[in-house]
Amino acid sequence: AQRVTQPEKLLSVFKGAPVELKCNYSYSGSPELFWYVQYSRQRLQLLLRHISRESIKGFTADLNKGETSFHLKKPFAQEEDSAMYYCALFPGGYNKLIFGAGTRLAVHP
Amino acid sequence: ETGVTQSPTHLIKTRGQQVTLRCSSQSGHNTVSWYQQALGQGPQFIFQYYREEENGRGNFPPRFSGLQFPNYSSELNVNALELDDSALYLCASSLPGATGRAGELFFGEGSRLTVL
Repeated sequence: AQRVTQPEKLLSVFKGAPVELKCNYSYSGSPELFWYVQYSRQRLQLLLRHISRESIKGFTADLNKGETSFHLKKPFAQEEDSAMYYCALFPGGYNKLIFGAGTRLAVHP
Repeated sequence: ETGVTQSPTHLIKTRGQQVTLRCSSQSGHNTVSWYQQALGQGPQFIFQYYREEENGRGNFPPRFSGLQFPNYSSELNVNALELDDSALYLCASSLPGATGRAGELFFGEGSRLTVL
């Protein structure tokens, strides 16, 4: 079964603390994985994709095929990082994405 | 560059009624997909349209149907509404997967449907 699991509904940290948003997936092939973000009163938007291996807004995510994980990390959280984060799996073919349930990140001053 | 726009933003229907939601894709994007997002859940894929034809469908019954028009805009129709259809319906446009940008979706703000 193709599935994305985000075990934490809420992650609460203080400004300057490290952040790790967990994502685990279930997929039999070679996955393409994404992180999407939704800031308050904004639309859902792409944050990063594992293929590009970029760092966006200080966030990075490494695909670990052995652990079937794609955790999102940032060394020093900022208040403007507060948002809803969704991990998504692209199983191939047409543009269907399988989303996790999301994790709300709250960064406190 | 015009982003994805959806209408209406909110609507209330009663069980058994039918609803049509509309979406205009981002300029240059010829692929449109629709997602249902229930409260507290991630978006769930309904179907995708490319070149005015449905070319992918998720686990939704046939009473969920759609259209894509020559200008790439799209409609989502839901017949015989049920209480569980209450959700945020998201439209996303994208370039075809063959461009190497598969999975990169540009979302609208959504249409929030409440079924009473």
